[in-house]
Amino acid sequence: DAGVTQSPTHLIKTRGQQVTLRCSPKSGHDTVSWYQQALGQGPQFIFQYYEEEERQRGNFPDRFSGHQFPNYSSELNVNALLLGDSALYLCASSSSRNRQETQYFGPGTRLLVL
Amino acid sequence: RKEVEQDPGPFNVPEGATVAFNCTYSNSASQSFFWYRQDCRKEPKLLMSVYSSGNEDGRFTAQLNRASQYISLLIRDSKLSDSATYLCVVNRGEGGRRALTFGSGTRLQVQP
Repeated sequence: DAGVTQSPTHLIKTRGQQVTLRCSPKSGHDTVSWYQQALGQGPQFIFQYYEEEERQRGNFPDRFSGHQFPNYSSELNVNALLLGDSALYLCASSSSRNRQETQYFGPGTRLLVL
Repeated sequence: RKEVEQDPGPFNVPEGATVAFNCTYSNSASQSFFWYRQDCRKEPKLLMSVYSSGNEDGRFTAQLNRASQYISLLIRDSKLSDSATYLCVVNRGEGGRRALTFGSGTRLQVQP
């Protein structure tokens, strides 16, 4: 049973560029959440996708956008990259049928903006 | 004030020691509570859920006090493999929209 997978594992971009990160949820999961984790901090919630729609959003600017596909996989897009966007981006999947909706994390994508 | 606050750490303890981590949360509407463990440069992994009645999983005991908005994790007989960052996590669960709110984590280093 494959867990949550993310690609790429590492990425280097320059300021002003755009980036797309990808996530495949755990088998049987239909909900995907994205988090940003800066060095020395806990993960911060970006947004959550369910039934191909953004269900909830954290305190992130519109430069951060996403998408969920019919197979439940998801993409995170960041436009006009800033140095401060350098972080570990984590995807977590969960099942809406699980009352607690326990979230399981992928290995993350490390983004470095120069 | 952060929504979830934890002991800053790091905690350096010898093998076999008992160590306790504390966490407070500010949103009284919070509905679910967890401890996650994160190893260096890895993703967070669920350690255990936390229930009002308190719960135990082997050497790990978690407690929740809703009145004080306080969560704790106790690790008995520490092992070298327990060295990691422990993240206190709260789920506000507003109408089915569930976003996890993480504390900044407490780093534990168990020494031989």
